[in-house]
Amino acid sequence: DVKVTQSSRYLVKRTGEKVFLECVQDMDHENMFWYRQDPGLGLRLIYFSYDVKMKEKGDIPEGYSVSREKKERFSLILESASTNQTSMYLCASSNNLGLRYNEQFFGPGTRLTVL
Amino acid sequence: SQQGEEDPQALSIQEGENATMNCSYKTSINNLQWYRQNSGRGLVHLILIRSNEREKHSGRLRVTLDTSKKSSSLLITASRAADTASYFCATAPLTGYSTLTFGKGTMLLVSP
Repeated sequence: DVKVTQSSRYLVKRTGEKVFLECVQDMDHENMFWYRQDPGLGLRLIYFSYDVKMKEKGDIPEGYSVSREKKERFSLILESASTNQTSMYLCASSNNLGLRYNEQFFGPGTRLTVL
Repeated sequence: SQQGEEDPQALSIQEGENATMNCSYKTSINNLQWYRQNSGRGLVHLILIRSNEREKHSGRLRVTLDTSKKSSSLLITASRAADTASYFCATAPLTGYSTLTFGKGTMLLVSP
């Protein structure tokens, strides 16, 4: 059974802290994605990666960075957490087999609260 | 930037009824996908329809795509309480990276 896991379901951090959100997939997928989901705004793409050590900005990259040192792991970093980064963070992955724009497999999400 | 827009924002029906959700988008696409999200969880892929397809079925799901109107609909037949969830459409671009652009979703409530 395919799986995308995220390091925490719930996280509470203080303003100014450095926050790491980890995502691991076991499907050997090339592509990995980080989204944030806010009420009324839907899912917005923060960053994505199409290969190890490669990253591309999504629609809302400000205040975030990412790291992909291994194919199965994609980390989202909040360098200095702020209250407006309180949100649900969703990680996803997809492969490049056959149809190029394939379905994405999502993790369960991390609900981050920044106080 | 948001591409798909679902309609309605919320839908409340009784078990056994059909539920129809619509999605409109702005630019040409490679394919359109529908996802379901149970409360507070990750999204689950339901169905993918390519730009050269007009209709697709999967179990109780029926998806249509009208590229001339840039719209899609998701029909869930004989709804069950377990179908209660948010439903999102996502569009894949014609070219570029393998990203999807998600709409804001339709919240479906199916009452027993």
